[in-house]
Amino acid sequence: DAKTTQPPSMDCAEGRAANLPCNHSTISGNEYVYWYRQIHSQGPQYIIHGLKNNETNEMASLIITEDRKSSTLILPHATLRDTAVYYCIVNAGKSTFGDGTTLTVKP
Amino acid sequence: SAVISQKPSRDICQRGTSLTIQCQVDSQVTMMFWYRQQPGQSLTLIATANQGSEATYESGFVIDKFPISRPNLTFSTLTVSNMSPEDSSIYLCSVEDWTGSNEKLFFGSGTQLSVL
Repeated sequence: DAKTTQPPSMDCAEGRAANLPCNHSTISGNEYVYWYRQIHSQGPQYIIHGLKNNETNEMASLIITEDRKSSTLILPHATLRDTAVYYCIVNAGKSTFGDGTTLTVKP
Repeated sequence: SAVISQKPSRDICQRGTSLTIQCQVDSQVTMMFWYRQQPGQSLTLIATANQGSEATYESGFVIDKFPISRPNLTFSTLTVSNMSPEDSSIYLCSVEDWTGSNEKLFFGSGTQLSVL
């Protein structure tokens, strides 16, 4: 599985969009990008995933670059409850979780 | 999406004892995974448990220390054996869900283990 690289931390103002980047330069052609988040050491929660097209669901949007070497998770209107560690991984199952990005949403 | 019940949610154990963690899923799943999350760290995969076969362990994890059972398609257990304080971690069960055309990974709420 491809490894991923994320910034260790980010801040975002409440109500503003949070844009979380992820690099996955060694991703293979058939590997999906998945995003999860973990709040207060609970089990990670699935957010969204994609292959090469941009995706949107009720939680977030996922923008994948044309070369698929990086992606951005967008939380369009961040709330205080979005404060969490966000993990970007390639494929599910046996994927390696990196250190993730700690997003802090501030009032 | 799969609903996973994991228990106990937390436990405090004495050094040298063993703890068995249970993971129950509300639907039949092929692949189940056990992760460890040490304090302040990310998730590390311990092993993959398939029904009807021996669990497959990742580098650094051995069956004698972390025996796993997978008696059917909805249930698995992980035992942390002969515990030491270094085993204090959150242990997480997860399953693959193939609803739709792609797999997703769903997690239980975790077992917070403290070893004295």
